[in-house]
Amino acid sequence: LAKTTQPISMDSYEGQEVNITCSHNNIATNDYITWYQQFPSQGPRFIIQGYKTKVTNEVASLFIPADRKSSTLSLPRVSLSDTAVYYCLVGAGTRGSYIPTFGRGTSLIVHP
Amino acid sequence: DAGITQSPRHKVTETGTPVTLRCHQTENHRYMYWYRQDPGHGLRLIHYSYGVKDTDKGEVSDGYSVSRSKTEDFLLTLESATSSQTSVYFCAITSSSYNEQFFGPGTRLTVL
Repeated sequence: LAKTTQPISMDSYEGQEVNITCSHNNIATNDYITWYQQFPSQGPRFIIQGYKTKVTNEVASLFIPADRKSSTLSLPRVSLSDTAVYYCLVGAGTRGSYIPTFGRGTSLIVHP
Repeated sequence: DAGITQSPRHKVTETGTPVTLRCHQTENHRYMYWYRQDPGHGLRLIHYSYGVKDTDKGEVSDGYSVSRSKTEDFLLTLESATSSQTSVYFCAITSSSYNEQFFGPGTRLTVL
């Protein structure tokens, strides 16, 4: 089971780019990397998923180096509404072999 | 938003009483999960299901049982509630074990 490590908290200001890095040294060959966002009093919401190199959608970009032992979630030009907890998950599998592990996540606070 | 609901949304109960939380989906997704979220612990997986009558334990399953007699419903039961089970409980669904999970609105349970 791949374990992830990410910073407990980060601070930023409106308009800045924010990069949150997640370490997953024992990632397996068939593991995907998935990021979620959670606002207070709500369930997590899927942001982005990738396997290698770079993935971009309308919300964020995900950078994955060749060795896949880490990944970086990039949020361009954050606003106050991006204040949330961000979780990095690593895993894959079929028929119940994948047990999602959210951990404590990274609490991002965006200041005016 | 994915069609996933949880009931009740709030519940206060006393130590030693049985409690059942219900997760209902209208997406016909195969996988369903129960998590609990506590301050300082992020989300922790309690039990999950990969099909009707197919369930397995997560990392914090002690004191909890689950049942899934039909695709759309996943029940979480606390046979004899304890104060340590005071938490916010989230249900999640996904069509594939490594695809994005969709979360319900959560149930806030208080055990006095």
